[in-house]
Amino acid sequence: EVQVVESGGGLVQPGGSLRLSCVDSGISFSSYWMHWVRQAPGKGLVWVSRINSDGSSTSYAGSVKGRFTVSRDNAKNTVYLEMNSLRAEDTAVYYCARQQLYNYYVMGVWGQGTTVTVSS
Amino acid sequence: QSALTQPASVSGSPGQSITVSCIGTSSDIGSHNIVSWYQQYPGKAPELVIYEVNNRPSGVSSRFSGSKSGNTASLTISGLQAEDEGDYYCCSYAGGSTLVFGGGTKVTVL
Repeated sequence: EVQVVESGGGLVQPGGSLRLSCVDSGISFSSYWMHWVRQAPGKGLVWVSRINSDGSSTSYAGSVKGRFTVSRDNAKNTVYLEMNSLRAEDTAVYYCARQQLYNYYVMGVWGQGTTVTVSS
Repeated sequence: QSALTQPASVSGSPGQSITVSCIGTSSDIGSHNIVSWYQQYPGKAPELVIYEVNNRPSGVSSRFSGSKSGNTASLTISGLQAEDEGDYYCCSYAGGSTLVFGGGTKVTVL
C-alpha cells in the first residue's frame, strides 16, 4: 500500500521559516504529481501548492505565492515545502497528497499531516 | 480564488438519502469536469470518495454518487449509515493549474 508521510512541522516565530518534507513509499514516485493542502484549527481544507512529476512546473495558492516554494527529489522519493515569512494565519496541519493514477488534479493518497504553529 | 460554497451542515436519518451541494463559478466547476469530493473524520486525513464529478475510487461504497449542473456540483449519499458521519469537502480545478476547495459540510446521521 502506498503511503506518504510528512515531517518537519513545529513552532516557529512570525517572520520565520520552516521546511516540510513528505516521503512517498511508492515505487513510481517520479511519475506522480504531488500536492500540499493545509487545514487551520477548526477550519476547512485549503489547497496550497502542487508540483509536477519532474519538478519543472509548480503552482501556488495566492495566499502563499512568493513565500512558499515546493520542490522534489525523485532520488529520495521526497517532496518539500519551503515556507518563508511565516504568519500567524499559516498555522495549520499541512497534508501532502499524491495524485490519483492518471488524474493530476485528484488527490488519491494522503499523509497524516504535520502541524505548523506560527506564534511568538 | 474564492472558496466554493457548501452548506455548513446536512443531516439525515439512517437509510435516507442526503445531498451536499457545492456552488462554484463559470471559472471553476462550470468550466471543468475536474470535481472531487473528500471525506474527513475528526482528527484524520481526508479520503477521496468521488473524482471527475461522478466516479468512485475502488473500495468506495456505491452509496456515494456525484453529479454536476452548471456551476454546481453535488454529492449524494444514499442509504445513509452511521459510518457516513463526518465532514465532506468538494474540490474543483480553478484554472491556472490550481485547485480550490469548498468550505466543508458536516454530515450528521440522526
